[in-house]
Amino acid sequence: GAVVSQHPSRVICKSGTSVKIECRSLDFQATTMFWYRQFPKQSLMLMATSNEGSKATYEQGVEKDKFLINHASLTLSTLTVTSAHPEDSSFYICSALDRPRGTQYFGPGTRLLVL
Amino acid sequence: AQTVTQSQPEMSVQEAETVTLSCTYDTSESDYYLFWYKQPPSRQMILVIRQEAYKQQNATENRFSVNFQKAAKSFSLKISDSQLGDAAMYFCACTASKLTFGTGTRLQVTL
Repeated sequence: GAVVSQHPSRVICKSGTSVKIECRSLDFQATTMFWYRQFPKQSLMLMATSNEGSKATYEQGVEKDKFLINHASLTLSTLTVTSAHPEDSSFYICSALDRPRGTQYFGPGTRLLVL
Repeated sequence: AQTVTQSQPEMSVQEAETVTLSCTYDTSESDYYLFWYKQPPSRQMILVIRQEAYKQQNATENRFSVNFQKAAKSFSLKISDSQLGDAAMYFCACTASKLTFGTGTRLQVTL
């Protein structure tokens, strides 16, 4: 199956700082990537859809100024959590859409802890 | 809007036995895909099996197979010859444009 990497796997930061998470599709080009958040013992919650070369589409209730998304190439999307606060602590997962197969492949996730 | 329902929060199966996980969905789209993803303790989401809605034939991947009943909007997953490594959270999902997940079924595999 297709491979998607995500970096870093875990990060601890101080309140008020910004954190950037990278998502890369390693063996296919992805014009569309997605960012999810997962709370403990819950399903994945879609935060935003990242489109190469255009602005991201955010889900209702997700602050676009808080969660900055950039999709500058066909293999890389980044999520920046700006001015992070403890309530932003969570597990963030990206996926890349293999459009010919209509299938999303997921990165391994990033555990963010904001102190 | 799409909805996906998994009515079994937890299931248990003995090693080498067969288990079926249930999933129903609702979508207004005529062209869509259905998936089962597995999330082990590492939390990596792993694609188990996919089904294109326009295909009548049920998808099969080794020990994993689905029972796709389009009219009933049902998409169950059968795991044969269960192994300890199958223990995980299983999510059913449906997509036309966005991926909608069910709430998940936690599968325990016992000796």
